[in-house]
Amino acid sequence: GQSLEQPSEVTAVEGAIVQINCTYQTSGFYGLSWYQQHDGGAPTFLSYNALDGLEETGRFSSFLSRSDSYGYLLLQELQMKDSASYFCAEGDSSYKLIFGSGTRLLVRP
Amino acid sequence: SQTIHQWPATLVQPVGSPLSLECTVEGTSNPNLYWYRQAAGRGLQLLFYSVGIGQISSEVPQNLSASRPQDRQFILSSKKLLLSDSGFYLCAWSTGTTNYGYTFGSGTRLTVV
Repeated sequence: GQSLEQPSEVTAVEGAIVQINCTYQTSGFYGLSWYQQHDGGAPTFLSYNALDGLEETGRFSSFLSRSDSYGYLLLQELQMKDSASYFCAEGDSSYKLIFGSGTRLLVRP
Repeated sequence: SQTIHQWPATLVQPVGSPLSLECTVEGTSNPNLYWYRQAAGRGLQLLFYSVGIGQISSEVPQNLSASRPQDRQFILSSKKLLLSDSGFYLCAWSTGTTNYGYTFGSGTRLTVV
């Protein structure tokens, strides 16, 4: 089956760096995606890793290690607007995404 | 450019009443379409997905059903709502060749009373 684990909550200070980890267990794994969701809003796509290594998109980076079934999202130069929930999601060959339970990030001044 | 429309934004329905939520996509052809449900403070649960007209895959047994009468239209229905059907319903689409980069609609917050 498919299941993902990520911390339920993380707190960090404005301007700092925070890492949100995600472990997955699945057969037929294709890649790991990350989504951001602000309270009351819809999830928005942040990044995708199909291969091992680091993908960088501005202040956000995502990393994948297939051998460890592990990935993380790295947020740098945190801003107050980054307070949101962050979801990792795994894709398989059937074009569907299974989401983790989400990590609520609180950025403090 | 591609856009996704989902309505209504909020809905309050009595137990036992029917449900119909509609989602349409513009600016693309043959998208993969998805219905997710999110309970308060929880993750997204995949309910149904479709890779083509009339092709529906159900992920979770429940009293909900989905239909895709047109290429860019996806409908979530129920004949009789339960209290446990309350939640935030999200429609999403992706291209036919990827399983990442989903674009979500703005969602429908359903409260069953």
